[in-house]
Amino acid sequence: NAGVMQNPRHLVRRRGQEARLRCSPMKGHSHVYWYRQLPEEGLKFMVYLQKENIIDESGMPKERFSAEFPKEGPSILRIQQVVRGDSAAYFCASSQGAHTYEQYFGPGTRLTVT
Amino acid sequence: DAKTTQPPSMDCAEGRAANLPCNHSTISGNEYVYWYRQIHSQGPQYIIHGLKNNETNEMASLIITEDRKSSTLILPHATLRDTAVYYCIVRVDNAGNMLTFGGGTRLMVKP
Repeated sequence: NAGVMQNPRHLVRRRGQEARLRCSPMKGHSHVYWYRQLPEEGLKFMVYLQKENIIDESGMPKERFSAEFPKEGPSILRIQQVVRGDSAAYFCASSQGAHTYEQYFGPGTRLTVT
Repeated sequence: DAKTTQPPSMDCAEGRAANLPCNHSTISGNEYVYWYRQIHSQGPQYIIHGLKNNETNEMASLIITEDRKSSTLILPHATLRDTAVYYCIVRVDNAGNMLTFGGGTRLMVKP
């Protein structure tokens, strides 16, 4: 059973460009969470999605950031007009929901904004 | 979710048991204790969780005090690969609850 997959693993963008981060949850998992870890800081929750629905986006910056989890395909975290402060590791986690709620994390995408 | 308190760092000799404490004195009756670890910038790894009974799996044991105000994660035979930051998190157990990571304990396993 493959784990949570994230790609790309490393992403370099210039200021003002768009960054798209993809997350494929574990097989059978329908709940996806995105977390951000700034350099030398702890992980912070950003957004929680189920298929086609955003359930909780209380941790998402109000501008430039968006997330989706379509019926088919991976979850996407999109950052528009990136700035240097967006440089961080972005981790995706998935859970089965229903009866088991532990979250399993992917390897992360390291975004560097130059 | 209740807050947790962990020592910032601990050392352990390779092959010995590592006992990582966590205080969660304001835990509510419906909150579980979860443990995760993060090995050098990798994605956090789920270890174990429990409500009030002690739990054991292939990775570790979780001992929760009777009053549930504290717990201890036990790695029975620590190896160098167990060097990581260990996070104790308390949360209500449902799918919609995010994990709130504190500072954790940086465990250094030494040869």
